Amino acid sequence: GENVEQHPSTLSVQEGDSAVIKCTYSDSASNYFPWYKQELGKGPQLIIDIRSNVGEKKDQRIAVTLNKTAKHFSLHITETQPEDSAVYFCAASIESASKLTFGTGTRLQVTL
Amino acid sequence: EAGVAQSPRYKIIEKRQSVAFWCNPISGHATLYWYQQILGQGPKLLIQFQNNGVVDDSQLPKDRFSAERLKGVDSTLKIQPAKLEDSAVYLCASSPQQGLGEAFFGQGTRLTVV
Repeated sequence: GENVEQHPSTLSVQEGDSAVIKCTYSDSASNYFPWYKQELGKGPQLIIDIRSNVGEKKDQRIAVTLNKTAKHFSLHITETQPEDSAVYFCAASIESASKLTFGTGTRLQVTL
Repeated sequence: EAGVAQSPRYKIIEKRQSVAFWCNPISGHATLYWYQQILGQGPKLLIQFQNNGVVDDSQLPKDRFSAERLKGVDSTLKIQPAKLEDSAVYLCASSPQQGLGEAFFGQGTRLTVV
C-alpha cells in the first residue's frame, strides 16, 4: 500500500519568514495530494491540494509543488503569521475523496 | 452549510469496556470515512462507506471494531472490548462522492482507555 513520509517533524520560523514542508510517497498510482492544517482540538482542514496533471498550484501565501518522477511534493508558506501555527499533514490518494494516506505531520510554530 | 458533527467529544473508559461514537455527515454527502489518529501521528483510515455500503475496511480490526451506516446517512463506530492501544482521536469525514470533491473532517472524539 501507499506510504507517505513527511519532514521535518517540527519547524520553527519567525513571523514573515517562509516555511517549507516536504513529503514523499511510494505508490506511483497516487494522483491526488492534499495538505491539511490541524489546530489543537480540531479536525484536519484542507488548505490546498494538487493533482498529478499539475506541477504547481498557488493560493495567496500558500503554494504546493509536485514532482511525480521523484514522487515528492512540498508545501510552501510565505510571509508566515502567528495564526499559521498548527500541525500540517500531507496526504496522498489515487483519486480525490477516496482513501487518504497521511504523513506523520509537521508542527509549525511561528514566533514573533 | 453545517459541518460534520461528531459525538461525544471526549470519552474515558476502562479497558475491556465497550464504547460507541456517532457521526452525522454533511447533508447530501455520499461518502463517509472513519479515521483513527493516535497522538503524534497522522490519521489512519479505518473504514470508508459509499452510501450504506462498505468500500474499504481493510485496516479495521474486525475482532473488536465495527461500524455501520444505516440508511446511508449517520454512522456509528463501536469498539468492544477496548484495549489501551485504542486510545486515540476518532475522526469522521465526509465527501460528496468518491473521486469528487474534498473530504471534510469533524472535530473528532478523543477516547482514553485506562
